[in-house]
Amino acid sequence: GAVVSQHPSWVICKSGTSVKIECRSLDFQATTMFWYRQFPKQSLMLMATSNEGSKATYEQGVEKDKFLINHASLTLSTLTVTSAHPEDSSFYICSARLSGPVNEQYFGPGTRLTVT
Amino acid sequence: GDSVTQMEGPVTLSEEAFLTINCTYTATGYPSLFWYVQYPGEGLQLLLKATKADDKGSNKGFEATYRKETTSFHLEKGSVQVSDSAVYFCALSMIYNQGGKLIFGQGTELSVKP
Repeated sequence: GAVVSQHPSWVICKSGTSVKIECRSLDFQATTMFWYRQFPKQSLMLMATSNEGSKATYEQGVEKDKFLINHASLTLSTLTVTSAHPEDSSFYICSARLSGPVNEQYFGPGTRLTVT
Repeated sequence: GDSVTQMEGPVTLSEEAFLTINCTYTATGYPSLFWYVQYPGEGLQLLLKATKADDKGSNKGFEATYRKETTSFHLEKGSVQVSDSAVYFCALSMIYNQGGKLIFGQGTELSVKP
């Protein structure tokens, strides 16, 4: 149980275009999902917290107009990178929080974005 | 603020060696503690967790004990295998603060040689 999927697993796009990444909780409902960014050989950097039916909460320094997050249902959150630039190339990982007092989070397999 | 510090890697061991990866934390309250593992090119998998002092989390031969007095949650395994080669992340969460965000350590890369 507690499986999270991401789609696509990798994507290459041209500079200036937008790309959407989906995060789905497959066997549980997640009122809260999180989006992370990871650079090679580094830890995860939290970008934003996505709550179903409300606006996402962005971490300091993350451009909310560039990284659009939508959490339209209890099993789906999307991250759209708008007007992508090469510096947006990274590994993007989502997680979904299992309801309960312990805050267990289950992670998707990640999406490798390359902007050319 | 809350933080997690892990021992630096990479850690290189021979198969069947004993593993310890140190993790200490700073938190204003009583966090839940986690170890996650990341295999190359993949997302993170929850390895084990502990929610209160003296709890021991265990899974797949790995263990970690929540030590409030030393604010530590060291990961141990008695006999590592080549398949354990991965990056290990220690993390804490304060469920009632900060929206339940996970705060990660910097990760420790483990390489196990046959």
